[in-house]
Amino acid sequence: DGGITQSPKYLFRKEGQNVTLSCEQNLNHDAMYWYRQDPGQGLRLIYYSQIVNDFQKGDIAEGYSVSREKKESFPLTVTSAQKNPTAFYLCASSNTMYQETQYFGPGTRLLVL
Amino acid sequence: GQNIDQPTEMTATEGAIVQINCTYQTSGFNGLFWYQQHAGEAPTFLSYNVLDGLEEKGRFSSFLSRSKGYSYLLLKELQMKDSASYLCAVYSGAGSYQLTFGKGTKLSVIP
Repeated sequence: DGGITQSPKYLFRKEGQNVTLSCEQNLNHDAMYWYRQDPGQGLRLIYYSQIVNDFQKGDIAEGYSVSREKKESFPLTVTSAQKNPTAFYLCASSNTMYQETQYFGPGTRLLVL
Repeated sequence: GQNIDQPTEMTATEGAIVQINCTYQTSGFNGLFWYQQHAGEAPTFLSYNVLDGLEEKGRFSSFLSRSKGYSYLLLKELQMKDSASYLCAVYSGAGSYQLTFGKGTKLSVIP
């Protein structure tokens, strides 16, 4: 089965702690994305990557970092600089970045202790 | 800037038809998507419109008017499982590689 997996489903962060959210896809897609979803808000783009070893900041990149060392993997680190990290985080991928349908993983809910 | 407007909530009766509207003001236009999202789950792709007109896919149809900056999603023969949020998203701008999402419309289907 082709698809996108995210782990963990729930993640708890302590003050001052960095945490990493995993995103893996076996769809052979070039492009991958991270979104943040808050209640009553639309999805907001954090980072995106068009191809391996390349990534760009989205609209709300402050306090986050990413890497793209492998085509199938695009992990997101929520750093201690992100002061309001509680949200639902969604990873997506598409064949390319040009007007292609984005397919989403199941999401990770991050909570602050 | 980019602005996408959808109603916040709608309620409809099982078996009925409901239309969810989306209006957008963006710098350029390269296509409009509709996604369905059940609470706590991932958005799933419903439809993609890039040209004016109606696209039909089973019980779901999507319409686009580029001159009016307007789209709607039409759901027929509503079922309880259609209770979800419906997200409108637009690719905009020359060579834009980013989707801009509306805040979503929460649809409640009642018996």
